[in-house]
Formats: sequence, C-alpha cells, structure tokens
Amino acid sequence: DAMVIQNPRYQVTQFGKPVTLSCSQTLNHNVMYWYQQKSSQAPKLLFHYYDKDFNNEADTPDNFQSRRPNTSFCFLDIRSPGLGDAAMYLCATSSLRGEVAKNIQYFGAGTRLSVL
Amino acid sequence: GQNIDQPTEMTATEGAIVQINCTYQTSGFNGLFWYQQHAGEAPTFLSYNVLDGLEEKGRFSSFLSRSKGYSYLLLKELQMKDSASYLCAVLDSNYQLIWGAGTKLIIKP
Repeated sequence: DAMVIQNPRYQVTQFGKPVTLSCSQTLNHNVMYWYQQKSSQAPKLLFHYYDKDFNNEADTPDNFQSRRPNTSFCFLDIRSPGLGDAAMYLCATSSLRGEVAKNIQYFGAGTRLSVL
Repeated sequence: GQNIDQPTEMTATEGAIVQINCTYQTSGFNGLFWYQQHAGEAPTFLSYNVLDGLEEKGRFSSFLSRSKGYSYLLLKELQMKDSASYLCAVLDSNYQLIWGAGTKLIIKP
C-alpha cells in the first residue's frame, strides 16, 4: 500500500543533543510537510517543500532545519533540542497545490519526541 | 489574523448523533477539510467541502456555509471507536491549510 512512513515512532534525546527525524513516502507526492503538534493543540506547520522548493514558516525557530534529498525522503533536524521541543512531529504529503482535492494531506504515524 | 474555532470537548452517547461545529476567519477560502485524530496517532482525512451544502459519506456528513464562515461535521450512529479528536482545517488563498485545535469527542456507552 502507498503510504507515509515516519521513523522512529518514539525518540528520546537529551537537552541540547541534536536529533534527526525521518519521513519517507511511496505516494509520489510533490509536496511534503513537517508539523509540530503539542497536546490538545492544532498542528503547527514548520516547513513544506513543493518538489525541491523549500518553504520555511516565518515563526519556525532557527533550531529546526529540514532536508529533502529526493522526492521520497524528507528529514527534520533539531540542532539543540530544548524542553519546549518535546512534541509529536508529523510528516504529511499532498499531491499538488491548486486543486482542492489534491491538497488532501496524508500523514505518517508521527514521531513522539521526548527531551530529557 | 487567521482563526478557526471549534468546541474543545463534546460528549455523546453510543448510537446517537452528534454535530461538531467549526467557524473560521481566514485570508481567502479554497476549501474546508475535516480530519479525525485518535489519541497519540496522526490525523486521517475524513471529508472536504468547497461549495455550500452538505457532503455525505456513510455515517459522516459535512456541511459548509461560506457566507457565514461556518461548517459542521455530523456523525450518526455513533460507535465507541468514534472517540477521537476532530480537526477542522481551511485551505486559504495561498493553498495553506489553517488548522483548528480540534474537538475531543467522548462517546459513552
């Protein structure tokens, strides 16, 4: 089945220790997104890629970076995690921007990050 | 600013019907989406509306009034597995999804 896969499902890191989260997709979608979601809050968009065109949200901290080496893979790097970065990180894809139906976002299972 | 409002929590009884409301103020409108999110899991797509009116998909229906900036999700014949958060999201003029914080639906036997 075509899908969005995130690894790992759970990640524990130490305060200030860099961590990388990964996402892969077999949907062949052009657009990939990284969201941060804290308990009972809306998902907060950190970045998105339209193909290789990188878009950084204005309020995404510099501590967060992203890479998309090819269509299938996308990585989220947190350079120096703080306690406030503990959250669920969600990767999503959509096929295209423009037509509404093609903007349906399909999510991976998420990575729950804990910072000790 | 852009804003989406949903009730924080609702409770309903198994077998009953529940309506979850969503109001929005966004920079433009290209469509409204509903997602279901079980605790600790990722959101899954339920439905979308572009034009005014009701879209029905099995036990779930979604309604849109663009002039009122209002939508609702109607869940019929509630089952225990419907206990989840339901997120409303609007596609704005830049084709960016603006998310609500979600409504936590608790189903009681």
